[in-house]
Amino acid sequence: DTEVTQTPKHLVMGMTNKKSLKCEQHMGHRAMYWYKQKAKKPPELMFVYSYEKLSINESVPSRFSPECPNSSLLNLHLHALQPEDSALYLCASSQGGGAPYNEQFFGPGTRLTVL
Amino acid sequence: AQSVSQHNHHVILSEAASLELGCNYSYGGTVNLFWYVQYPGQHLQLLLKYFSGDPLVKGIKGFEAEFIKSKFSFNLRKPSVQWSDTAEYFCAVKGNTGGFKTIFGAGTRLFVKA
Repeated sequence: DTEVTQTPKHLVMGMTNKKSLKCEQHMGHRAMYWYKQKAKKPPELMFVYSYEKLSINESVPSRFSPECPNSSLLNLHLHALQPEDSALYLCASSQGGGAPYNEQFFGPGTRLTVL
Repeated sequence: AQSVSQHNHHVILSEAASLELGCNYSYGGTVNLFWYVQYPGQHLQLLLKYFSGDPLVKGIKGFEAEFIKSKFSFNLRKPSVQWSDTAEYFCAVKGNTGGFKTIFGAGTRLFVKA
């Protein structure tokens, strides 16, 4: 299984809502990532988990809260978002150990709209 | 700081034409280089990667890229494009130190006319 799955595919939420994005992989990868991608822009790194520990936080606002319950799952909890947070949120995974040549496997993304 | 520059934002080619997409990077150490592709409606996937050895790297679907260290470049090539190559192409760089952070270029949208 070389797939990264993400749910939901689409999410519409109000600025006062609390919602979560989920990501799952069963490739035995020990590094998992959240990216944000705006239309016609490249993916921007938000968070990296390595061996279930937060390794990188790219100065993301606290209204985004990541969680890695186990090596296969990655969540992104959303609260009090702003309309400018509307974007495609991508999850990715790679083999652990931080080996720089390891490519990332991307999920299809969750398209988030904040009203 | 790491950065990646892709020269062409939009490219339009006819089928069977040759393709070369430019990518230059800025990084003060050993790098690992990637090209990812995003087909319409599909997720990002790896085309090819370079981390050491032969600087000419072959990837999937007939794509290749050449790492030229002296020019800080990693250009993507394909001798003859097909309509199905219509997609967005991202060059990406990961430093050999610094863990997991990958920097993506702005992307090149390729449209191949049938």
